[in-house]
Amino acid sequence: QKEVEQNSGPLSVPEGAIASLNCTYSDRGSQSFFWYRQYSGKSPELIMFIYSNGDKEDGRFTAQLNKASQYVSLLIRDSQPSDSATYLCAVNMEYGNKLVFGAGTILRVKS
Amino acid sequence: SQTIHQWPATLVQPVGSPLSLECTVEGTSNPNLYWYRQAAGRGLQLLFYSVGIGQISSEVPQNLSASRPQDRQFILSSKKLLLSDSGFYLCAWSDTGGGQPQHFGDGTRLSIL
Repeated sequence: QKEVEQNSGPLSVPEGAIASLNCTYSDRGSQSFFWYRQYSGKSPELIMFIYSNGDKEDGRFTAQLNKASQYVSLLIRDSQPSDSATYLCAVNMEYGNKLVFGAGTILRVKS
Repeated sequence: SQTIHQWPATLVQPVGSPLSLECTVEGTSNPNLYWYRQAAGRGLQLLFYSVGIGQISSEVPQNLSASRPQDRQFILSSKKLLLSDSGFYLCAWSDTGGGQPQHFGDGTRLSIL
């Protein structure tokens, strides 16, 4: 069964620190990787996607992909209380139309 | 730009009643469309997806069904709701082609009494 695993947390970081969120996936042939942010009671919002090994930066967010080790991570620099949310990792495992989502990691940024 | 509309936002239904949730997308053509369910404190479960009008793939056998009567319209239905159908229902769209990101509507919170 194709799976995406995330630590459920909660991950607590102080305001201004770097938050590091990790995700592993089971299918070595996976091609596309996505991070979504979901505030309590709201729908998921796409914040980053990455297709190639290495780092991809967008503002305070950096996605890191290591296909050999089958993990993808999200770094949030200068964490703010408004970053407190559940972060969902999603993987496209068949280069088709479907994404497999992890259960999410709860992030709490304390001021 | 593309937008996705989903309604209603909340719904309370008795067990055994029918269900119809609607989703429409604007600003794009021939999108892939998806229905997910998220139980409280859980991840997203893909229920149905569609790559074109009248084309529906079911991921989980259950008492729900989906239809796509128009290019940018996706409907989730049930003839008789069960208590276990409670949850947060999300519609999403993506461009065609593999590996595209999905974009979600605001969701419908369904409570079965």
